[in-house]
Amino acid sequence: ETGVTQTPRHLVMGMTNKKSLKCEQHLGHNAMYWYKQSAKKPLELMFVYSLEERVENNSVPSRFSPECPNSSHLFLHLHTLQPEDSALYLCASSLSPQGKDGYTFGSGTRLTVV
Amino acid sequence: AQSVSQHNHHVILSEAASLELGCNYSYGGTVNLFWYVQYPGQHLQLLLKYFSGDPLVKGIKGFEAEFIKSKFSFNLRKPSVQWSDTAEYFCAVIFYNNNDMRFGAGTRLTVKP
Repeated sequence: ETGVTQTPRHLVMGMTNKKSLKCEQHLGHNAMYWYKQSAKKPLELMFVYSLEERVENNSVPSRFSPECPNSSHLFLHLHTLQPEDSALYLCASSLSPQGKDGYTFGSGTRLTVV
Repeated sequence: AQSVSQHNHHVILSEAASLELGCNYSYGGTVNLFWYVQYPGQHLQLLLKYFSGDPLVKGIKGFEAEFIKSKFSFNLRKPSVQWSDTAEYFCAVIFYNNNDMRFGAGTRLTVKP
């Protein structure tokens, strides 16, 4: 385990469902991130939270909605997804709010949209 | 636009062969540079990182990387690979005018026993 825990590990959902991905870290880190990992594509940054405030939303569709209730928890709420949203969703955290010291990644949630 | 390029999609080597994986980025300012490895079914793990100082950086498991500023490159090397090095390798860059880490597309390494 890396210290960044993601649940669930696997998720299958229909296009009309609503689900949430959870990320938790108890490393005392100050920034948290959501990335999307699709086959044969670079990891795509989705959201950045630094000191619990969203600092970047990388043009992500509104069917993805992040929530950061405190410095240890990060959620990604999903609704009315499309099949092309199927991917591995990775959460990461960093000690420095700017992340310049590097990130610690969770194991990811494998999402399949049917 | 700032980007990170990894030129090799898939590299196949025999055990004991030497490895070099290319990474280039496009940005003239200050950067922090990283290599991550993802073993099959596992999370991304940090291999090594460069912030400043000696441009030759040593990481875990015998890996090293060299920052060549004039070439905007940060290539990963290992003198002698093992079967257990089979994994996907990602180069990543933090550009100092941004608050996020940008990744290359990854290079899949297969080491034949």
